[in-house]
Amino acid sequence: GAVVSQHPSRVICKSGTSVKIECRSLDFQATTMFWYRQFPKQSLMLMATSNEGSKATYEQGVEKDKFLINHASLTLSTLTVTSAHPEDSSFYICSASPPTGTPFPYEQYFGPGTRLTVT
Amino acid sequence: QKEVEQDPGPLSVPEGAIVSLNCTYSNSAFQYFMWYRQYSRKGPELLMYTYSSGNKEDGRFTAQVDKSSKYISLFIRDSQPSDSATYLCAMSPDNFNKFYFGSGTKLNVKP
Repeated sequence: GAVVSQHPSRVICKSGTSVKIECRSLDFQATTMFWYRQFPKQSLMLMATSNEGSKATYEQGVEKDKFLINHASLTLSTLTVTSAHPEDSSFYICSASPPTGTPFPYEQYFGPGTRLTVT
Repeated sequence: QKEVEQDPGPLSVPEGAIVSLNCTYSNSAFQYFMWYRQYSRKGPELLMYTYSSGNKEDGRFTAQVDKSSKYISLFIRDSQPSDSATYLCAMSPDNFNKFYFGSGTKLNVKP
């Protein structure tokens, strides 16, 4: 099956520093990757959609200069939280979609998530 | 009003019970309906998906979509303790690039 990994699984950083989270599709090429954040007992909120080789599309209310997304290859996307603050503490989850032609091309395979704590 | 509404629970049932999980939505453009299962501190995994209205069965799981009522359900038969998790519904219009998730229902199946 399709596997998506995330690294790190959890990170603690000080306020004002930047944190990079990696999302990798291990056994398929992902033309599209998505970044979500999830607060306790709340739904997954889409932050941005990234396509390989092009700029990410951010959802309304998400600061693109704060949450930098790079999708440099078909198997890797990174999310960098710049100048992190305690309110950025959350569970960040990425997902990846396989290319068209697969049985369920719009399926999203989710990574295990990254718990970010900003102190 | 949220695009997708889902009762957060928690829902506690004895082992072997039939579980009914539900979501309502407001956007009539939604065509694809998915159910994900999420264990604590893990990413969601796809359980089932359906297109438009109707039923779909996979083992102990049955997904139902009623587009006229904007209401979807997931039934779990013969529930097991291993089914204990948070269940998220998700929906998408023809634009596959955006999924709208419910907030998730936490299910606890007691042995």
